[in-house]
Amino acid sequence: QSALTQPASVSGSPGQSITISCTGTSSDVGSYNLVSWYQQHPGKAPKLMIYEVSKRPSGVSNRFSGSKSGNTASLTISGLQAEDEADYYCCSYAGSSTLKVFGGGTKLTVL
Amino acid sequence: QVQLQESGPGLVKPSQTLSLTCTVSGGSISSGSYYWSWIRQPAGKGLEWIGRIYTSGSTNYNPSLKSRVTISVDTSKNQFSLKLSSVTAADTAVYYCARDVKYYDILTGWGGTDAFDIWGQGTMVTVSS
Repeated sequence: QSALTQPASVSGSPGQSITISCTGTSSDVGSYNLVSWYQQHPGKAPKLMIYEVSKRPSGVSNRFSGSKSGNTASLTISGLQAEDEADYYCCSYAGSSTLKVFGGGTKLTVL
Repeated sequence: QVQLQESGPGLVKPSQTLSLTCTVSGGSISSGSYYWSWIRQPAGKGLEWIGRIYTSGSTNYNPSLKSRVTISVDTSKNQFSLKLSSVTAADTAVYYCARDVKYYDILTGWGGTDAFDIWGQGTMVTVSS
């Protein structure tokens, strides 16, 4: 059982927007603005898409955005494209003892 | 640009010790701006952070694995390594090394860790007799 809770799957049609939630606790997501999101295509290593809740690394499309409210972080992908179909994982800093916790992952299907 | 590459045996017998090395190229492992982490992913499952090391040799481990994990660094070779003892089939997974960005709030003086910005390609390790 993962420390952060994500929906197992979400889907959307090309051009639409989808949002993936990531629910933690007041010990991780709720306490730190250090939530990151990763995209993983089959057989590939994860790729950083969002860091510090809402910042995009250089080279990541502005169709990807992040936000946080309380103990829940969210990843929104707008203008869905076929290449967005992948697994998405959230991760949060969780204090000096546990340090890092991941969500269980969400499979995005582009219909 | 910085690249990470895992290496090590793909097959380990139960009860033995899993040993992997991550070689950092295109940059120095001694940079004070990063930690160096190990993360694993069983087939069809999610990611699990194993632990990390700083260039000084300071380590932090996932509490659930702490009793079996040792991470070390060799700055002369620009490498860091993972040892996981007393392995079982549950340790079968793809193992990734990753660069973990340090975070520092200049206003509050608080420090933590941010995101894993660079990952190795991963190496599959199977625990089986």
